[in-house]
Amino acid sequence: ILNVEQSPQSLHVQEGDSTNFTCSFPSSNFYALHWYRWETAKSPEALFVMTLNGDEKKKGRISATLNTKEGYSYLYIKGSQPEDSATYLCAVRGGTSYGKLTFGQGTILTVHP
Amino acid sequence: NAGVTQTPKFQVLKTGQSMTLQCAQDMNHEYMSWYRQDPGMGLRLIHYSVGAGITDQGEVPNGYNVSRSTTEDFPLRLLSAAPSQTSVYFCASGTGGPTEQYFGPGTRLTVT
Repeated sequence: ILNVEQSPQSLHVQEGDSTNFTCSFPSSNFYALHWYRWETAKSPEALFVMTLNGDEKKKGRISATLNTKEGYSYLYIKGSQPEDSATYLCAVRGGTSYGKLTFGQGTILTVHP
Repeated sequence: NAGVTQTPKFQVLKTGQSMTLQCAQDMNHEYMSWYRQDPGMGLRLIHYSVGAGITDQGEVPNGYNVSRSTTEDFPLRLLSAAPSQTSVYFCASGTGGPTEQYFGPGTRLTVT
């Protein structure tokens, strides 16, 4: 079983602040890393899937980077808005293209107006 | 295109009862999986399948059974419900590889 860890567990920021979270994973046997956004009472929604060391992805004010050699990924949110409040989940697929997807515990972000 | 559907949305069971949670997808995805979500524990993989006739265990398979007779359907069976199985269950599907998974709306199960 892969050990995927996310930090911090929760985060409170003010509207307009920029913020970032970390996802750590074993660097061996890595295939892909996923970031999901999960709003209360909804289903997780994919943000990014990354595979290559040095990958950077961006969607609007949200971006992510991947370092497979040291086993971490950062998710950045620029100029946080109240609608960004959600749980952000990181998941790692190990081994092969059909390997198990193991989730971290998530980072709960609350953006205060 | 309905995506990933799950039924029922809510269910209350008594300890010892059995039931099947249904999951279906219409995107011709090979990869399907079941997760349970408990407070403070993120999503934990119960079982997954990489195609019809092929299933494998995840992190927390005990007390659950799956089968995959078609590409579209991946039911999860609770053999003898226990209060520890009270949780929200999510089904997901995808094509494997470096692509996203799509999640169903979830089933909230309470075992008394």
